[in-house]
Amino acid sequence: GDSVTQMEGPVTLSEEAFLTINCTYTATGYPSLFWYVQYPGEGLQLLLKATKADDKGSNKGFEATYRKETTSFHLEKGSVQVSDSAVYFCALTLGVGNNDMRFGAGTRLTVKP
Amino acid sequence: NAGVTQTPKFQVLKTGQSMTLQCAQDMNHEYMSWYRQDPGMGLRLIHYSVGAGITDQGEVPNGYNVSRSTTEDFPLRLLSAAPSQTSVYFCASSYGALSPLHFGNGTRLTVT
Repeated sequence: GDSVTQMEGPVTLSEEAFLTINCTYTATGYPSLFWYVQYPGEGLQLLLKATKADDKGSNKGFEATYRKETTSFHLEKGSVQVSDSAVYFCALTLGVGNNDMRFGAGTRLTVKP
Repeated sequence: NAGVTQTPKFQVLKTGQSMTLQCAQDMNHEYMSWYRQDPGMGLRLIHYSVGAGITDQGEVPNGYNVSRSTTEDFPLRLLSAAPSQTSVYFCASSYGALSPLHFGNGTRLTVT
């Protein structure tokens, strides 16, 4: 079935380090792809999205490019801050609706000063 | 602006007990849903609703009931709690079925 696979965490980085969190997907059609972020004690919130191949989603310094040839949607940030410490979820939907959304297991990021 | 409000934040139940997890949103969203979050498994959809009076099953509906009598509220009922239902539960809503989801802060449930 349709699914996403994320790199296992936890990931620990120093402030200003470069971040990559890998996400690959399996889908029978052409999905829309999302990154959600969950800060400590809060619910998930949408970070960025891409709806078709080669689209780049970006927000708060984070970027992810929809790569159809490698079925990937890796999350990157050039210089992380302590405030970026959170759990990051990759997700996909085939566009039927939010009831169709599939989430990855999440990757916990800790940024140390 | 409260967004999506879930209560309680924490709950401990004994096997066989029943309870209701509350979810309310003040954004006039038509779509509402319940997920459970388990370690290593991401979020899995339990039930969802596309409007008042309409509900449907998600990926893992067994052992849970829902109803949607108003646009604002979408309670999740555990009929007879089991240890396998120990999890963190999230309620989410969106303006439409394809709009970004807004999540509550979660309810951590432990069944002993």
